[in-house]
Amino acid sequence: KAGVTQTPRYLIKTRGQQVTLSCSPISGHRSVSWYQQTPGQGLQFLFEYFSETQRNKGNFPGRFSGRQFSNSRSEMNVSTLELGDSALYLCASSLNLNTEAFFGQGTRLTVV
Amino acid sequence: AQTVTQSQPEMSVQEAETVTLSCTYDTSENNYYLFWYKQPPSRQMILVIRQEAYKQQNATENRFSVNFQKAAKSFSLKISDSQLGDTAMYFCAFMVNYGGSQGNLIFGKGTKLSVKP
Repeated sequence: KAGVTQTPRYLIKTRGQQVTLSCSPISGHRSVSWYQQTPGQGLQFLFEYFSETQRNKGNFPGRFSGRQFSNSRSEMNVSTLELGDSALYLCASSLNLNTEAFFGQGTRLTVV
Repeated sequence: AQTVTQSQPEMSVQEAETVTLSCTYDTSENNYYLFWYKQPPSRQMILVIRQEAYKQQNATENRFSVNFQKAAKSFSLKISDSQLGDTAMYFCAFMVNYGGSQGNLIFGKGTKLSVKP
């Protein structure tokens, strides 16, 4: 059974650009969550989607957005990139709400 | 607001020995889950062990066990017979159980564990 797949694995962008990251959950999983990991702030929750609806949102500016498609795949978008957005972005999927979350290997975003 | 504190930024242990990683948390909720995740250099977060707050019995998974003290809001991880493959960052995490709807995971800052041969 394939795990959570995040693409791309690495990304370099310039300040002011926008970026879209993709997450394919484990087959059959309906919940997808996104986390940002930085050395300074650690792991911080971005948002959670379940059945195409955003269920929960962390304390991030509106430049960070996401969506979930009918096949449960999810994308997150960051507009007007800042240097501080450089981070490892982790996606996690779970079968339903209140079940174990499985993480992908992350997308390493570098903003220059 | 919930917080998770891991007071040991780095630890090391000799192969085959036992090590305990500390975690404390703060919450006013009564129904929640606690987790330990492992993040090796490959960056993939792997669930090590999970504890439901309503269960008094401490969770165990092979060489991994926890000491859950609900009143003290403490949740430590014991790794027995440490192996080189246990070298990783270990994160303690908390999640409120809203009874059918989960909250998000709140992570501590992590403990970097090195297992030495």
